[in-house]
Amino acid sequence: QVQLVQSGAEVRDPGASVKVSCKASGYIFTEYDINWVRQASGRGLEWMGWVNPRSGNTGYARQFQGRISMSRNTAITTAYMELRSLRSEDTAIYYCARWSCSSTSCWLDPWGQGTLVTVSS
Amino acid sequence: QSALTQPASVSGSPGQSITISCAGSSNDIGRYSYVSWFQQHPGKVPKLIIYDVDDRPSGVSNRFSGSKSGNTASLTISGLQPEDEADYFCSSFTSSSILLFGAGTKLTVL
Repeated sequence: QVQLVQSGAEVRDPGASVKVSCKASGYIFTEYDINWVRQASGRGLEWMGWVNPRSGNTGYARQFQGRISMSRNTAITTAYMELRSLRSEDTAIYYCARWSCSSTSCWLDPWGQGTLVTVSS
Repeated sequence: QSALTQPASVSGSPGQSITISCAGSSNDIGRYSYVSWFQQHPGKVPKLIIYDVDDRPSGVSNRFSGSKSGNTASLTISGLQPEDEADYFCSSFTSSSILLFGAGTKLTVL
């Protein structure tokens, strides 16, 4: 079955960086973009950006430009999201999700199980 | 670009129907059929329940239905059940090639 499995929880000091992985299985990795979405405790969903596993092309939400990088390793069907210059407001659960498309629409499904990133000194 | 606008909360009794609105603009909901709805129970991963405005993934109850009129999308849940109590988020693709989410609606089943 199609599945996305993320790396485990991380704790970082303010100003540090974190890199979260998302291992895909059950489908052809290079045929679907991977998106990243985060959710702070008790808050809504915030879209962060996407990576195209075939080309490596990326697109980021404006609020993260300059401190975010998304990448992939096709040999191990894994996508990555790195966030730099972390601040306390970046404490959240980070999700990867596959951008699935039909002839008329696209949607996020499935989702990874989420990775809790805590930024605290 | 601002988030899509959803009511903070809605409630209904078992067996009733409720509708959650999601207001956007002509640059997102009004332009594209890339409207989705997600259900999220506390501590759980968001679950896709509606995509392409009004399609349901396999396994999702037909009590969930979606629609769109102009710049506003809607999610209707009929025959409310206690397990429907959750947070619901809408999303839409935009003309800026980004994905927008609503802030979420908390559904309480009375």
